Amino acid sequence: AQKVTQAQTEISVVEKEDVTLDCVYETRDTTYYLFWYKQPPSGELVFLIRRNSFDEQNEISGRYSWNFQKSTSSFNFTITASQVVDSAVYFCALRSSGGGADGLTFGKGTHLIIQP
Amino acid sequence: SAVISQKPSRDICQRGTSLTIQCQVDSQVTMMFWYRQQPGQSLTLIATANQGSEATYESGFVIDKFPISRPNLTFSTLTVSNMSPEDSSIYLCSAGTGQLYGYTFGSGTRLTVV
Repeated sequence: AQKVTQAQTEISVVEKEDVTLDCVYETRDTTYYLFWYKQPPSGELVFLIRRNSFDEQNEISGRYSWNFQKSTSSFNFTITASQVVDSAVYFCALRSSGGGADGLTFGKGTHLIIQP
Repeated sequence: SAVISQKPSRDICQRGTSLTIQCQVDSQVTMMFWYRQQPGQSLTLIATANQGSEATYESGFVIDKFPISRPNLTFSTLTVSNMSPEDSSIYLCSAGTGQLYGYTFGSGTRLTVV
């Protein structure tokens, strides 16, 4: 069975601080895909990134960066110089290419609050 | 990536009734999925909507309660049957092609059962 753990239920920081959201995953498959989504108060899910299990390169996109470490089964997400507009619930998700469900397994989400 | 139109965006329904949610994709996609997000919770996969065959349901979800149709590669419906207040949730459609699936979600249907 696969599992995604986001241990941080809620994080509150002051604007301009850096913040890291943790994601730990479990899967027995050697090929899998990891995702991060943002869900603002309006409710829609906004895709942020996809990473496959063979690509351990870290990625940076503007103020966002992701650290993928297979050795610790983690795929952490860092926001640099946070802004109020970053306030949302962030979900980490996993899809394995092996047998079983093809859909995504989501973590419980981290509610990020950026205070002005 | 595909663009998904989902409707209705929200509804308030009486218990015991049924609601059908529509998901329209602007391009042909291999895979379509339905998720449920209960209040304050994460997303849970309900089923994979298979084109031309019966949907594949996850543990805890059954066809009688959540019948799904997928008549072609761009459209699917989810029906929530015999609703109770416990069915109050956001229902989301997701679609994609090949390894790229999971990119796109519909805007969701916010269902309240009274």
